[in-house]
Amino acid sequence: IVMTQSPATLSVSPGERATLSCRASQSVTSNLAWYQQKPGQPPRLLIYGASTRATGVPARFSGAGSGTEFTLTISSLQSEDFAVYYCQQYKNWPPLYTFGQGTKLE
Amino acid sequence: QVTLRESGPALVKPTQTLTLTCSFSGFSLGTSGMCVSWVRQTPGKALEWLAMIDWEDDKYYTTALKTRLTISKDTANNQVVLTMTNMDPLDTATYYCARSHTSSWGLESWGQGTLVIVSS
Repeated sequence: IVMTQSPATLSVSPGERATLSCRASQSVTSNLAWYQQKPGQPPRLLIYGASTRATGVPARFSGAGSGTEFTLTISSLQSEDFAVYYCQQYKNWPPLYTFGQGTKLE
Repeated sequence: QVTLRESGPALVKPTQTLTLTCSFSGFSLGTSGMCVSWVRQTPGKALEWLAMIDWEDDKYYTTALKTRLTISKDTANNQVVLTMTNMDPLDTATYYCARSHTSSWGLESWGQGTLVIVSS
């Protein structure tokens, strides 16, 4: 399964809304996660199950979609949100993970 | 508090075998549903999942590298080991270990990563 993210780079201003897209080459149902990565840090899990926020993730982050089309929305960008975001599909059995190529939010 | 830490050589020569160790605390791989994966990130920033081992000692590998990878665990000492044979300069990357649970499958806790350079 190939995961394609768009756009590659998204330029927005603090306080604005940002919407990132992820498309799967075939249905992954709701087996979709989003990660945030800042320079010099490992990825951080934001969303799993397409729409469930991970522990400690602010409510301004929301995920939506199922099947092949997914979005991550950040409702009001804070300075700490500027990072690279990756989507990832996971096949439950046997376990298999595939990442998108990332969207840089600047 | 869950922590993971990767260790291993920073430099390996082409054709050599790489051995990486993930040492963790704050959870047990003997707990039902618990899993540890290895993920690498190339200098170009692409992320690639490599392998996973679960609480029942079942092992899973990415199809592309399956013949080169072996994952194992030492539950008593809270460690997971990954070996990758026949290293190539294209394997230069930062290697991460990460924890997940079958309740969500998301990679919820990550180590800081270890950079491995493959060069003669």
